[in-house]
Amino acid sequence: ETGVTQSPTHLIKTRGQQVTLRCSSQSGHNTVSWYQQALGQGPQFIFQYYREEENGRGNFPPRFSGLQFPNYSSELNVNALELDDSALYLCASSLKLAGGLGEQFFGPGTRLTVL
Amino acid sequence: DQQVKQNSPSLSVQEGRISILNCDYTNSMFDYFLWYKKYPAEGPTFLISISSIKDKNEDGRFTVFLNKSAKHLSLHIVPSQPGDSAVYFCAAQPQGGAGSYQLTFGKGTKLSVIP
Repeated sequence: ETGVTQSPTHLIKTRGQQVTLRCSSQSGHNTVSWYQQALGQGPQFIFQYYREEENGRGNFPPRFSGLQFPNYSSELNVNALELDDSALYLCASSLKLAGGLGEQFFGPGTRLTVL
Repeated sequence: DQQVKQNSPSLSVQEGRISILNCDYTNSMFDYFLWYKKYPAEGPTFLISISSIKDKNEDGRFTVFLNKSAKHLSLHIVPSQPGDSAVYFCAAQPQGGAGSYQLTFGKGTKLSVIP
């Protein structure tokens, strides 16, 4: 069973640029959530995708957007990068059933640095 | 406004002794609580959880206690081992309904177990 994987591991961008981060879900999972973890903080929920549609969103501006593909992998896109976007971006996959959302399994994260 | 608070950024414990990590929450809608453990360069790993209908849940060396009236939970690790050295995050979510997809994390407590 393959766990959650993310790419790239590290990324350096400059202010104003755009970035795409990728996540492959754990086998059998149908839901992907993205979190931002700034230095010294806990992970903060960005949004969740279920069946290729956004299923909930945290307090992040529209320049943070995402996609989920038919194979349940996902992308996080951030436009017009700002210095404060520098953080570890975590992807978590889970299985959503009628009874609710199961345990979320996290990937190792992508470290984004904005200069 | 932090809805989940871990007021101790760090904790040092001697090997073999008990580690107690604390967490407080303010949102009355939270009724499911989780602890995650995070090593450097890895994503958070689920450790143990508790539903608000319980006041204790045990799994091997790990026990979580919930005091719903005080909006307080704690994680006990007995006996502590050097491999337990990591950052521990407390997280909470509503069990169902709006926001049930979203984990809200505390800032974490870095546990160091000294051999």
